Amino acid sequence: DTAVSQTPKYLVTQMGNDKSIKCEQNLGHDTMYWYKQDSKKFLKIMFSYNNKELIINETVPNRFSPKSPDKAHLNLHINSLELGDSAVYFCASSQDLGDRGSGELFFGEGSRLTVL
Amino acid sequence: KNQVEQSPQSLIILEGKNCTLQCNYTVSPFSNLRWYKQDTGRGPVSLTIMTFSENTKSNGRYTATLDADTKQSSLHITASQLSDSASYICVVSGMGFQKLVFGTGTRLLVSP
Repeated sequence: DTAVSQTPKYLVTQMGNDKSIKCEQNLGHDTMYWYKQDSKKFLKIMFSYNNKELIINETVPNRFSPKSPDKAHLNLHINSLELGDSAVYFCASSQDLGDRGSGELFFGEGSRLTVL
Repeated sequence: KNQVEQSPQSLIILEGKNCTLQCNYTVSPFSNLRWYKQDTGRGPVSLTIMTFSENTKSNGRYTATLDADTKQSSLHITASQLSDSASYICVVSGMGFQKLVFGTGTRLLVSP
């Protein structure tokens, strides 16, 4: 069974559209994250939830809205998509938050978003 | 400013050769350092974790070292295989930090 699964894996859409990416983890972890990986392969934190509570909210346009219905799910909704939103978005989970414990991140396979 | 710098940015080696990737960090106070491997089209996977008191840790053909005094870590790959072709990302956790600090990664290509 996949530990962290996200859907869809590929998403191609037009500018101005609204889209969602879903993420689920079956590891029993308390913390989930969304990362954005740009064309230079640099991973940048967007959001972090701990037990459904928003912990980290980086300087991300408010067109991006995370939703955590329970601690096993963290979805990402993006409104009014722009060309610059094209990237690979990774969902991740960890048992601990930040420096508490080992902090190992378990990543999903990524969702490649292409905005035309 | 808490930063993690990796070098080289990219590297090509022949199959069977060894290589060493570098990671320098300014994160303070330091908690731990992880090396992740990211295959093309996949999510990163943890290879090793190093805490303050650890100097060396091995995971198969991967050996990580840590010098907490100079704030440097290296990842040594022995007898490289084609499957080692990937990006290697150094990630540092700071004491009291909620966020992890990611390096820019090294792209390794192992050529036959």
